[in-house]
Amino acid sequence: TQLLEQSPQFLSIQEGENLTVYCNSSSVFSSLQWYRQEPGEGPVLLVTVVTGGEVKKLKRLTFQFGDARKDSSLHITAAQPGDTGLYLCAGDRGGTSYGKLTFGQGTILTVHP
Amino acid sequence: GAVVSQHPSRVICKSGTSVKIECRSLDFQATTMFWYRQFPKQSLMLMATSNEGSKATYEQGVEKDKFLINHASLTLSTLTVTSAHPEDSSFYICSAPNRGSLSYGYTFGSGTRLTVV
Repeated sequence: TQLLEQSPQFLSIQEGENLTVYCNSSSVFSSLQWYRQEPGEGPVLLVTVVTGGEVKKLKRLTFQFGDARKDSSLHITAAQPGDTGLYLCAGDRGGTSYGKLTFGQGTILTVHP
Repeated sequence: GAVVSQHPSRVICKSGTSVKIECRSLDFQATTMFWYRQFPKQSLMLMATSNEGSKATYEQGVEKDKFLINHASLTLSTLTVTSAHPEDSSFYICSAPNRGSLSYGYTFGSGTRLTVV
């Protein structure tokens, strides 16, 4: 079973601060995605990283895929109250298990004005 | 972008009855869809893979006779929770791959909150 350890579980910060969320595994994933989920809704895709060492930016969000494709990070610069929500990382096993995502435990982010 | 429509969004049913949840890809075809379950304050757990034109494949520990999956067309997959019990109460979510490529991630439905009383 491929596990994805996501940390921290909870993050409470002030507006303007920076933060980083980590996802780590002992297994290799063919790709890794980051999602944001609002209460009572399905996850919404933020980004997919496929290549080891890849870095993608989405406005104030920076996503990185580890060189060995076992870990990833999400960095938010100058957090805003609108960033508040549940962030999930998910690894795709690929191959015959394509699409069978393994999700991290999630990070509940609260940004205070 | 790709849209996956899931309904109902909420359903309350009596113990022992069956509930059907539908998942439709609105602007693209999906030969494969995935069903997840999410308990309160927990992450998503994959239940099964729905395959158009063939049998679904279930993850270890998921009862296939309890969670019936039918992928009748390239745009519709259904999950039926049979003889539901209170422990089946959960948030059920479907997903489909975007444009069939690893690079494009997956689109999720808006989820179905099932409460069995």
